[in-house]
Amino acid sequence: GAVVSQHPSWVICKSGTSVKIECRSLDFQATTMFWYRQFPKQSLMLMATSNEGSKATYEQGVEKDKFLINHASLTLSTLTVTSAHPEDSSFYICRPRGQSSYNEQFFGPGTRLTVL
Amino acid sequence: QKEVEQNSGPLSVPEGAIASLNCTYSDRGSQSFFWYRQYSGKSPELIMFIYSNGDKEDGRFTAQLNKASQYVSLLIRDSQPSDSATYLCAVVSSNTGGFKTIFGAGTRLFVKA
Repeated sequence: GAVVSQHPSWVICKSGTSVKIECRSLDFQATTMFWYRQFPKQSLMLMATSNEGSKATYEQGVEKDKFLINHASLTLSTLTVTSAHPEDSSFYICRPRGQSSYNEQFFGPGTRLTVL
Repeated sequence: QKEVEQNSGPLSVPEGAIASLNCTYSDRGSQSFFWYRQYSGKSPELIMFIYSNGDKEDGRFTAQLNKASQYVSLLIRDSQPSDSATYLCAVVSSNTGGFKTIFGAGTRLFVKA
């Protein structure tokens, strides 16, 4: 299967700081990146979709100024949680998509964010 | 009506039994169907995909697709406690400019030792 990495795997930060999460597709070119958030015992929630070189499209209720997404290359996308607060504590997961519908089916391992 | 529906469970089965997980979808033009397993605290892991009507077997897992009835199911034979997880159904269909993947909310499976 496709190889997707995320860094960091977990992070703890103080309220008010910003946290950057990286997602890399290691063996295919990700023309599109999906970012999800998952709270404990809840289902995946799609936050935004980004296409390489373009602005991201955010789902309803997701603040684009708070969750900054950059997809500057075909192998790397970043999600920055700005001025994080405890309610932003969650599991953030990326899912890259290439030209094939098959290789879009692999998720990154996720990043656990805890905001104190 | 949700685009992809799954019973949230939990579905509880004894060890060694067959676990049957079901998923229905609303877009009749959907083309590809995927099952994921998600352990607590981990990201979803792809376990099977199916494109054509009928059954597809892989080890203890069998995916069943019925496009006329718009459902896809996953059977787990000889269930093990290690199969206890949330199972997500994903459906891919074409839309303008490409295709989209819709995920169900998942069914929690608990296999009792």
